[in-house]
Amino acid sequence: QVQLQESGPGLVRPWETLSLTCTVSGGSISSYYWTWIRQPPGKGLEWIGNIYYSGTTNYNPSFKSRVIISLDTSKDQFSLKLSSVTAADTAVYYCARMSGYTYGYAGAYYQYNGLDVWGLGTTVTVSS
Amino acid sequence: EIVLTQSPGTLSLSPGERATLSCRATQSVSSNYLAWYQQKAGQAPRLLIYGASSRATGIPDRFSGSGSGTDFTLTISRLEPEDFAVYYCQQYGSSPWTFGQGTKVEIK
Repeated sequence: QVQLQESGPGLVRPWETLSLTCTVSGGSISSYYWTWIRQPPGKGLEWIGNIYYSGTTNYNPSFKSRVIISLDTSKDQFSLKLSSVTAADTAVYYCARMSGYTYGYAGAYYQYNGLDVWGLGTTVTVSS
Repeated sequence: EIVLTQSPGTLSLSPGERATLSCRATQSVSSNYLAWYQQKAGQAPRLLIYGASSRATGIPDRFSGSGSGTDFTLTISRLEPEDFAVYYCQQYGSSPWTFGQGTKVEIK
């Protein structure tokens, strides 16, 4: 079955750029939305943004000026870059798949069926 | 942005009891795109319910979801020991996708 694995530095200096990669295995990166979510220590979940396999992105306005999500279909990977980080960006970062399918004429519509596959998460600490 | 408020914050119950968790949205959730997730300590969340009432693959039928518009409910008919965890609702009908703050179901 499909599995996701986050990778990247566990420690980032303040005001630098956090960079994480999610590798998709056991299935194709095509035909789904791929998502980044984070969870600060002891707190709830926060959606950062997502990317469709076509490359279309959608970001949380809370991050919009700092975040870039990209896709590398040749490697079945998608990535997160979050710039100008502060201690408030310390969190467990998860990648996840939004399940669903296209329907309608020429696949014009998408039926979303929840975030059904998650990575284990990777802890990123922002500290000097 | 749609804000989701979950209640109660903590639910103290015994195994075998029924759990009822609430999720209320500040505006109607488009297409009832409302999901429920279970998260245990140190683990990633697990999808339980999507589309407000559809069980995800492999989820036992003691978990059920209901509701529409702005009011949604997750019911666990008879709590098993492995069900004690934190539960989050999420709406994905409008951007930005948002999560509730969570309900902790603890052993009484």
